Amino acid sequence: EVQLVESGGDLIQPGGSLRLSCAASGFTISSHYMTWVRQAPGKGLEWVSTIYSAGSTYYADSVKGRFTISRDNAKNTVYFQMNSLRADDTAIYYCARVHSYSSFDYWGQGALVTVSS
Amino acid sequence: EIVLTQSPGTLSLSPGERATLSCRASQTINSRYLAWYQQKPGQAPRLLIYGASSRATGIPDRFSGSGSGTDFTLTISRLEPEDFAVYYCQQYGGSPLFAFGPGTKVDIK
Repeated sequence: EVQLVESGGDLIQPGGSLRLSCAASGFTISSHYMTWVRQAPGKGLEWVSTIYSAGSTYYADSVKGRFTISRDNAKNTVYFQMNSLRADDTAIYYCARVHSYSSFDYWGQGALVTVSS
Repeated sequence: EIVLTQSPGTLSLSPGERATLSCRASQTINSRYLAWYQQKPGQAPRLLIYGASSRATGIPDRFSGSGSGTDFTLTISRLEPEDFAVYYCQQYGGSPLFAFGPGTKVDIK
């Protein structure tokens, strides 16, 4: 059974850093593209970052230069390092597996990141 | 930049009725790269349709997708109580790499 479990969400002050983890089971992340999608409270879905199986990384303009996606194939885990956090980064962050290169077929339960002083 | 627009913003219907949701792109997109999701409160989104018209694993056949170019449609043939939710369309391959529409809420009339 495919499962994605996020961890690392927290309350953090503006300007701070946080690292989210997404532990995968039931499949091998090295063979798939993996993605982070976020959802601010009461708002819609926003794509933020994807890592291709070959290692290429892509970011939304809103997080480029501040956030970094990476993976540890040995641990079958995807990471999301978030630096210089701002209040508008407050959201639930979902890890998802990319399906057929273009959609997201499995999602984690989400990790809540709250940026506030 | 490709922008997705969904209409209506809210659709109020009764169980058993047919729901037709629209997703319009600001420029032509490859229909292989258009997907639809359902999200219920407190839950992660669930993939319904990919490639504009292919149902994801385990999705009931009352859900269908169609369209091409800039205009895409998600149809729910007969609404079941569990179908009242928010629906998002999503595209791949433009700038940004992935993008979601703002969503359509289907609520009980």
